[in-house]
Amino acid sequence: DGGITQSPKYLFRKEGQNVTLSCEQNLNHDAMYWYRQDPGQGLRLIYYSQIVNDFQKGDIAEGYSVSREKKESFPLTVTSAQKNPTAFYLCASSIGVAGDEQYFGPGTRLTVT
Amino acid sequence: QKEVEQDPGPLSVPEGAIVSLNCTYSNSAFQYFMWYRQYSRKGPELLMYTYSSGNKEDGRFTAQVDKSSKYISLFIRDSQPSDSATYLCAMIPTSGTYKYIFGTGTRLKVLA
Repeated sequence: DGGITQSPKYLFRKEGQNVTLSCEQNLNHDAMYWYRQDPGQGLRLIYYSQIVNDFQKGDIAEGYSVSREKKESFPLTVTSAQKNPTAFYLCASSIGVAGDEQYFGPGTRLTVT
Repeated sequence: QKEVEQDPGPLSVPEGAIVSLNCTYSNSAFQYFMWYRQYSRKGPELLMYTYSSGNKEDGRFTAQVDKSSKYISLFIRDSQPSDSATYLCAMIPTSGTYKYIFGTGTRLKVLA
């Protein structure tokens, strides 16, 4: 079955530690995205990548980093510079044509204490 | 003013009712419109994808776009308790941007 997987489902970290969230897709999509979802704020774009080895900052990129070394994978690192990292993180992908449907993974809930 | 406005709800309806969920937007360049259903602690699931004005039907769901009023709707017929979720609208312009703009979501409760 084609789809997007995110791991782990729940992640707990101490303040000051970097943490990497995994996102893998087998849909053969070129574009991939990372969003953050907080209660009452909707989805906010962190980073997106239209093609391998290329990515752009979204609206809230500060304190985050990404890589896109393979078409299937788009890991997100939450660094210690991110002031409020506790959130629900969603990865998404699309074929790569602007305006096409975007599909989401199941999400990772990150809690930093 | 937000680019996309969506009533957060919660909207409570009895089972079998017709549900109307709405989003308004301010950017007349938006051309592609999507509706997602999100269950608690899960990723959003794409329900409907439409472009330009008009209606699109899929089973119990109908998506409607009124570009002149900058208004989109999702109708759910014969609503079921399993439809209880948060519904997100999303839209993007035709300018080639990859930035999708999402509403904050409307929480729907269908009571058995």
